[in-house]
Amino acid sequence: QKEVEQDPGPLSVPEGAIVSLNCTYSNSAFQYFMWYRQYSRKGPELLMYTYSSGNKEDGRFTAQVDKSSKYISLFIRDSQPSDSATYLCAMNFQGAQKLVFGQGTRLTINP
Amino acid sequence: GAGVSQSPSNKVTEKGKDVELRCDPISGHTALYWYRQRLGQGLEFLIYFQGNSAPDKSGLPSDRFSAERTGESVSTLTIQRTQQEDSAVYLCASSARQGGRRYEQYFGPGTRLTVT
Repeated sequence: QKEVEQDPGPLSVPEGAIVSLNCTYSNSAFQYFMWYRQYSRKGPELLMYTYSSGNKEDGRFTAQVDKSSKYISLFIRDSQPSDSATYLCAMNFQGAQKLVFGQGTRLTINP
Repeated sequence: GAGVSQSPSNKVTEKGKDVELRCDPISGHTALYWYRQRLGQGLEFLIYFQGNSAPDKSGLPSDRFSAERTGESVSTLTIQRTQQEDSAVYLCASSARQGGRRYEQYFGPGTRLTVT
């Protein structure tokens, strides 16, 4: 079993829809949770960064962490075609440096 | 300011040849990481450098892989006797050492390696 599980999709939704992307993890020691966006043939770009449980909002993006369920989510409101990309969740331990990534979910927003 | 840069952007090599990939981190970032991304997969950690400390090589898949870093600047990842399973995108990232942003890693565009 992988430490971090993420449905690879693909996920296709109409423009303006609310998108929900999720990851589950097995190791309760993970403390820091991140979401990266990766456009085709580009490096991952950090979108959201959260510590421990709770919600964090940044514009149209909301990151949610539920440590009791070992489950994290990224919500995108008013989705735009420019949001079409692969979204990768990542996490690491307190004091650790390497990130553990999910497989990535490929998202397409249709105009 | 300038982000993480990597070269070459693409590399095609024959099985058995050695390749060297280069990474220039963000200026002032003391930590540097290498990851590998196979087609349709997430990123796999390879190696981590922090200042003059011994690197964390725990992710290197075999002794054919090695990496060096000069001070807090450029790093090179070397793959000897390349195999077809080495075909992947090799991504470099850097992060600041101090403060709340020390876990935020900023990635370069990657080097796409194809072994024929």
